[in-house]
Amino acid sequence: TQLLEQSPQFLSIQEGENLTVYCNSSSVFSSLQWYRQEPGEGPVLLVTVVTGGEVKKLKRLTFQFGDARKDSSLHITAAQPGDTGLYLCAGGGYAGGTSYGKLTFGQGTILTVHP
Amino acid sequence: NAGVTQTPKFRILKIGQSMTLQCTQDMNHNYMYWYRQDPGMGLKLIYYSVGAGITDKGEVPNGYNVSRSTTEDFPLRLELAAPSQTSVYFCASTNRGAFNEKLFFGSGTQLSVL
Repeated sequence: TQLLEQSPQFLSIQEGENLTVYCNSSSVFSSLQWYRQEPGEGPVLLVTVVTGGEVKKLKRLTFQFGDARKDSSLHITAAQPGDTGLYLCAGGGYAGGTSYGKLTFGQGTILTVHP
Repeated sequence: NAGVTQTPKFRILKIGQSMTLQCTQDMNHNYMYWYRQDPGMGLKLIYYSVGAGITDKGEVPNGYNVSRSTTEDFPLRLELAAPSQTSVYFCASTNRGAFNEKLFFGSGTQLSVL
């Protein structure tokens, strides 16, 4: 069974601060996705990284895939109240297998940004 | 664009009752999934389907059943509800089932079993 450990589980910060969320596994994934979820809604994809060492930027959000494709991080610069939500990492694909699009999710990080 | 539609939004069941969670998508996606989300546990895969007539178990299938008679619909059946099935259920779909493909999620069904 593949597992993704996400940390921290809770993050409460003031507007303007920077933060990093980590997603770690002992397994290799073919891709790593980050989703954001608002209360009462389903997760919405933010980014997909597929190459070891890959870095992608989405405005103030920076996503990185570890060189060994076992870990990833999400860094938010100058957080805003609108960034508040649940952030989920999800691993896709398995070395040598067919995933059929199935994802393994981390436990999630609840981010609260106070004005 | 409707995307993935789930009904009902909320439901309370008594122990032992049965119900069907409905899921339909209008994107002509072949792959569909049911996940459950418990606090602090992320999402766990219950069942998935790679096309009409084809379903398979995920990580936590016990107590659930599914069917896929059409491309659009993927209902999830709870036969004998138990308190352990209290959760938020999400249906999702994707087109090719590739390892890097985006999942489209419905807005969820919050189920309480008392």
